[in-house]
Amino acid sequence: GQNIDQPTEMTATEGAIVQINCTYQTSGFNGLFWYQQHAGEAPTFLSYNVLDGLEEKGRFSSFLSRSKGYSYLLLKELQMKDSASYLCAVTDSNYQLIWGAGTKLIIKP
Amino acid sequence: DGGITQSPKYLFRKEGQNVTLSCEQNLNHDAMYWYRQDPGQGLRLIYYSQIVNDFQKGDIAEGYSVSREKKESFPLTVTSAQKNPTAFYLCASSPGTEINTGELFFGEGSRLTVL
Repeated sequence: GQNIDQPTEMTATEGAIVQINCTYQTSGFNGLFWYQQHAGEAPTFLSYNVLDGLEEKGRFSSFLSRSKGYSYLLLKELQMKDSASYLCAVTDSNYQLIWGAGTKLIIKP
Repeated sequence: DGGITQSPKYLFRKEGQNVTLSCEQNLNHDAMYWYRQDPGQGLRLIYYSQIVNDFQKGDIAEGYSVSREKKESFPLTVTSAQKNPTAFYLCASSPGTEINTGELFFGEGSRLTVL
């Protein structure tokens, strides 16, 4: 079956750096997305990777290794507002989007 | 401002009743989606539509129905046949008719509780 694995919960300190990992086993690959979702709100798009390597966007970066079925989201200079769930999703060979359960990130002062 | 509007935000329903969730977008997007979100699970696709007057079942379509009579609107009806309807429902849209190749724009969600 198709599967996306992410840690359920992570805790980090304000001002620090945190890396949220995502591993996937899917039938084919056509891209990987990261979304941010604050509690009770809609997910918002963070990044899209389709080629191997690192994509940097301000304080957030996303990395992809297709050969390893692995991605991570790196958040730098953490702020309290970064407390949210981070969702990893992969588009498979049939262009179906498979979602992970999300990682709840708790930021402590 | 452009965006997706879902209503109502909160809805309570008695068992055996149908309920319709509204989703309207003014982004001129072709594709629209309905997802269900439950605690500890990834988003699950209920229905999607790539063009007006056409829609496709997702992974968990049983007990749900949709229509796409206008490009801007994609309402979801949760019928009494849905065995466990209490959930957070998210509507989304994306530009172009090729699904899942670009960013999804989500509405604020509708939380349905069955009493």
